[in-house]
Amino acid sequence: AQSVTQPDIHITVSEGASLELRCNYSYGATPYLFWYVQSPGQGLQLLLKYFSGDTLVQGIKGFEAEFKRSQSSFNLRKPSVHWSDAAEYFCAVGAPRGAQKLVFGQGTRLTINP
Amino acid sequence: DGGITQSPKYLFRKEGQNVTLSCEQNLNHDAMYWYRQDPGQGLRLIYYSQIVNDFQKGDIAEGYSVSREKKESFPLTVTSAQKNPTAFYLCASSITSGASYEQFFGPGTRLTVL
Repeated sequence: AQSVTQPDIHITVSEGASLELRCNYSYGATPYLFWYVQSPGQGLQLLLKYFSGDTLVQGIKGFEAEFKRSQSSFNLRKPSVHWSDAAEYFCAVGAPRGAQKLVFGQGTRLTINP
Repeated sequence: DGGITQSPKYLFRKEGQNVTLSCEQNLNHDAMYWYRQDPGQGLRLIYYSQIVNDFQKGDIAEGYSVSREKKESFPLTVTSAQKNPTAFYLCASSITSGASYEQFFGPGTRLTVL
């Protein structure tokens, strides 16, 4: 069965500092991978996705993520965070074909210190 | 603008009552999904539908029911059989073919049982 682990429930960084949010997945083959962001009381917005090809993917708002098959990881990074990046971030995994069901991690809440 | 609408934004229900949450999309997506979100648990799939008049149970379908009579609409009924219905409910939609099937989310409905 597919599963996603986000080891960090809550992360605090200073504005302007770099950020890395961790995501590990369990899946029998190369899955489709996603990062979503959620502001309080809102729906989810897609930041980026990986299906195939270049393992470093660029997303919106200056985010990027790197797929590492050997580590079953898909970590999200940003070189310099802004106060507006404070939100909850979800990693998700889906099958390459079929029912398009997504399995989500528990989320990482990001707090930005001024 | 294309998107997903959910109504109402806030919903209060007395114990023992059924309540229906609305989800409408104008993205011309074939697939629609309902998720439940609880603090610290990420998103869990309740039901999903890939085509009109057909739907499948997700991981936590007990106490919920859905219908898909129109492509644009996928209402969720929270029945009195759902033991702990207080949660944030998110509706999503996606395409079902092609290489990119990320899910697009609505703004959510917060249900509180009094």
